Amino acid sequence: NAGVTQTPKFQVLKTGQSMTLQCAQDMNHNSMYWYRQDPGMGLRLIYYSASEGTTDKGEVPNGYNVSRLNKREFSLRLESAAPSQTSVYFCASTHEAGFNSPLHFGNGTRLTVT
Amino acid sequence: DQQVKQNSPSLSVQEGRISILNCDYTNSMFDYFLWYKKYPAEGPTFLISISSIKDKNEDGRFTVFLNKSAKHLSLHIVPSQPGDSAVYFCAASVAGTASKLTFGTGTRLQVTL
Repeated sequence: NAGVTQTPKFQVLKTGQSMTLQCAQDMNHNSMYWYRQDPGMGLRLIYYSASEGTTDKGEVPNGYNVSRLNKREFSLRLESAAPSQTSVYFCASTHEAGFNSPLHFGNGTRLTVT
Repeated sequence: DQQVKQNSPSLSVQEGRISILNCDYTNSMFDYFLWYKKYPAEGPTFLISISSIKDKNEDGRFTVFLNKSAKHLSLHIVPSQPGDSAVYFCAASVAGTASKLTFGTGTRLQVTL
């Protein structure tokens, strides 16, 4: 049982390049989230999808787009990477948004933008 | 504006003693609080939670205390074990907000032999 799987684990981009971070969960969860973790900032919500077919902005959505491809997969796209997007990105899922069920996190993607 | 604050970046405790991690919040709308534990190169894992209708929740060696009037919660680990060495994040959410969590900045706990 893999839980939440994120690919790639590491990525280095040059400023202006684009890439997509992939996330998949096998727990039949309805809700999925993307967070970024920066030193001294904790984890901050970028986008979330409360259910298949819906997406909403979180606290720091600028520079990102998301796609809820199906119930299992939720991808995060950087169209034109900037050094300020250097961070560790975590995908998470939960059974049902709004019912106080804990989030299950993947192991993260460490992204460096030069 | 940091709505969830963990003012101690690090804490060192001897094995077998009590570890107390603190968290303060400013948003009075928060009604559900969680603690997550994070090892290096891994994602955070859920540890324990508490609803605002309670002031204490216990799970084995872990107890969370909530003081709503002070907008303060704490995590007690008794007894502390070397495997508890990790970064601990406090998080909070508002009812009906799609489980969107606001996280603190984390406290690194080191349990020494």
